[in-house]
Amino acid sequence: GAVVSQHPSRVICKSGTSVKIECRSLDFQATTMFWYRQFPKQSLMLMATSNEGSKATYEQGVEKDKFLINHASLTLSTLTVTSAHPEDSSFYICSATSGLAGAPRETQYFGPGTRLLVL
Amino acid sequence: QKEVEQNSGPLSVPEGAIASLNCTYSDRGSQSFFWYRQYSGKSPELIMFIYSNGDKEDGRFTAQLNKASQYVSLLIRDSQPSDSATYLCAVNFQMGGNEKLTFGTGTRLTIIP
Repeated sequence: GAVVSQHPSRVICKSGTSVKIECRSLDFQATTMFWYRQFPKQSLMLMATSNEGSKATYEQGVEKDKFLINHASLTLSTLTVTSAHPEDSSFYICSATSGLAGAPRETQYFGPGTRLLVL
Repeated sequence: QKEVEQNSGPLSVPEGAIASLNCTYSDRGSQSFFWYRQYSGKSPELIMFIYSNGDKEDGRFTAQLNKASQYVSLLIRDSQPSDSATYLCAVNFQMGGNEKLTFGTGTRLTIIP
């Protein structure tokens, strides 16, 4: 149980284009989804928290107009990197909380990540 | 500022020995604690969680929590080369309904065959 998928797993795009990343909870309804970014050999950095039907809450320093998050259903959240630039190249990872019995409500299950390369 | 601290390592342990990973946290009111494993180039995967003082065992893994000392650790018995990874400690600092986890920077563990 508690499987999270992400699509695409890898994307290469030209500078100035927009990229959409999907995060799905496959076998549970996700009460909350989180988006992280991780640069090589660095720690996870939380970008934003999203709840279904609500506006995302962005962490300090994260541009909400650049990183658009939509959480349209209890199983799908999307992150759109608008007008991507080379400095946006990173590993983007989503996670979801499930409220599954036997684990704390805040237990996060991670997707496999999306590696973005902006040329 | 809510903080989670880990020794970044690298920690090298011979195969078959016990690996001990440590984590301290700043908020005495924290309720739940998690250990994740992250292989190079992959996303984190949950190993186990703990929320009561004492030990919790799951196979070769044991989590230990001491709330008075604000300290949580992970022991890996009979370490295997496949245990080589970065181990992330995460703590729930309950904030306004969105129960985020605050992650440490991780400890890189290498098991030496």
